[in-house]
Amino acid sequence: NAGVTQTPKFRVLKTGQSMTLLCAQDMNHEYMYWYRQDPGMGLRLIHYSVGEGTTAKGEVPDGYNVSRLKKQNFLLGLESAAPSQTSVYFCASSYSSQTSPHEQYFGPGTRLTVT
Amino acid sequence: EDQVTQSPEALRLQEGESSSLNCSYTVSGLRGLFWYRQDPGKGPEFLFTLYSAGEEKEKERLKATLTKKESFLHITAPKPEDSATYLCAVRDSGYALNFGKGTSLLVTP
Repeated sequence: NAGVTQTPKFRVLKTGQSMTLLCAQDMNHEYMYWYRQDPGMGLRLIHYSVGEGTTAKGEVPDGYNVSRLKKQNFLLGLESAAPSQTSVYFCASSYSSQTSPHEQYFGPGTRLTVT
Repeated sequence: EDQVTQSPEALRLQEGESSSLNCSYTVSGLRGLFWYRQDPGKGPEFLFTLYSAGEEKEKERLKATLTKKESFLHITAPKPEDSATYLCAVRDSGYALNFGKGTSLLVTP
């Protein structure tokens, strides 16, 4: 199993450009998440999905959109990139449970620079 | 609002020198506390989940414990390959993990 994969690994954008980050998981997980990691800030949740066709906002959703058309894929879009969106982006997935929350498994990350 | 504070920010140990990392938290209705290891340039790697006070889990040289206010990650006789950033996260009644800023551990030979 590949686990959680992310493409691309690196990307440089100019201010105002758009792009889509792709996350794929082969563990049949219901839940998927997008985080960003910045120096001194820790990991912060951008958006998440609890199932195919559903998405919800996390802590820092502004400037991002997401879609979950297939259970195994979760896309993160930047419509008009800004320098403040320079960060490392991580996708994660987990099983669902009504009783005990399961651990999240993370992808290798995408390093995005916006100039 | 949930808060997770990890200390120290950085820790340097000699190989074989045991120590502990701290994760203190304030959360309404803890559903789980998670420890992750993150190597430079990589995604966080899951280590442990603790669900209730008094629970302990072990894996090789690592042991995680949980009280009602904090968790400790004890590292016994560390080796250089244990060098990494260790992240703590809590889960409340929502779906998200609330992460601390991490402790950067360096183990020298």
